[in-house]
Order: sequence, then C-alpha cells, then structure tokens
Amino acid sequence: AQSVAQPEDQVNVAEGNPLTVKCTYSVSGNPYLFWYVQYPNRGLQFLLKYITGDNLVKGSYGFEAEFNKSQTSFHLKKPSALVSDSALYFCAVRDGRGSARQLTFGSGTQLTVLP
Amino acid sequence: DGGITQSPKYLFRKEGQNVTLSCEQNLNHDAMYWYRQDPGQGLRLIYYSQIVNDFQKGDIAEGYSVSREKKESFPLTVTSAQKNPTAFYLCASSQSRDPYNEQFFGPGTRLTVL
Repeated sequence: AQSVAQPEDQVNVAEGNPLTVKCTYSVSGNPYLFWYVQYPNRGLQFLLKYITGDNLVKGSYGFEAEFNKSQTSFHLKKPSALVSDSALYFCAVRDGRGSARQLTFGSGTQLTVLP
Repeated sequence: DGGITQSPKYLFRKEGQNVTLSCEQNLNHDAMYWYRQDPGQGLRLIYYSQIVNDFQKGDIAEGYSVSREKKESFPLTVTSAQKNPTAFYLCASSQSRDPYNEQFFGPGTRLTVL
C-alpha cells in the first residue's frame, strides 16, 4: 500500500522568510513524488517531481524539494516567501512498482504568507 | 490549467437526477483521471482511463460512471446512486500510464445537490 501524510493543515510565514511545507510518504518500492499547488476554486498546478537522481529537486516559481529516503520525506521549500505563494499545497506519491495503483494525494497544507 | 477544459464550472442538481460533467483535453495525452475533492480530505480517485475504450475504477467509483470513446474526452456521470455528490470535481490527464508522468488538471466543476 502507498500513503502520504502532510502533518500540518496550516502553515503561516512572514513574507521574505523561508518556508517549508512537510510531506512524508510510505511505499513498498521506489517512490515517485510530486508537489502541486491549488489556488481557490482552481485546478491543481504541477510544481515539481522526484523520480530518481539528485535529492534536491528544483521546480516552478522558485520552489524546491528535498528527497530524504531514510526519513521518507519530501519537504517543499522556498528561500523567500511571497504573499502570492499563499495557496493550498498537495504532496502526492506513487509506488514505482508496475502493479502499483495510481497517485495518492495528501490532505493538503494551507500556506499563508503574511505581508 | 493547461489544455484541459471542464464544463460547466458550477452545476446544481436535484436529488434523484443524473448529471454529466464534461472533460476535454488537447494535449494528446493517453491517460485521463477523475478526482473528487472535499474539504480537508485531499483528492480521491474516482475513475481513470489509460487508453481509449478502457477505464478502471478508483477508490470511490460507486455512484459514478465514465466513458472513453475518444482520446480527448472523458465525461463523468454522477448518478442518483451517489449518496453525497456535493463536491469539487477535478479532471486530469497525463502523457502516458508511466508512473513518473505528472498529471495536468482542469479548472474543476463544483457540483451542488439541492
């Protein structure tokens, strides 16, 4: 079985400060990991993904994520937060095994960047 | 929201009625998906299709039906058997069934049962 957890429902950060949105996962095989962002009443937008290789993945809008196999984590980070980063963020995982089911999404983390 | 369109944006249904949500993509993607989003629960997979004329049930398929007669279209019907259909419905597509392909999402349809 595969699962993903986002332990924080809400993250608040001041504009200009670094931000971290946490994600941990559980899979049987090698994980494929994704981050998406959702603005109110909109669809999800893809930010970045980890498939293999370098543990630090860079994505859209200055976001990056660090894959940590020993801690089974894939935290989303940005060095300097913008008010416009305020949105709902989803982590998703899929087991790399061929017979694995489809993507499993976390419950989401609401990020609020305060001016 | 890329090359995926969903219609209508808002939909109101009376109890006992079937309704069909439209999803069209012009990305030439093989795989398409339907998700349901409820507050605080993330996205849950309803149905997915990896090729034309084939589709598979997801985690919460009861009360829903789909068809995939064309590569670019994957309509979802919410039947009267779905006990709690009020939700935000998201359609997505990916280039292929390969697990490392990211999914592209449409803007969503908000369904409300009156």
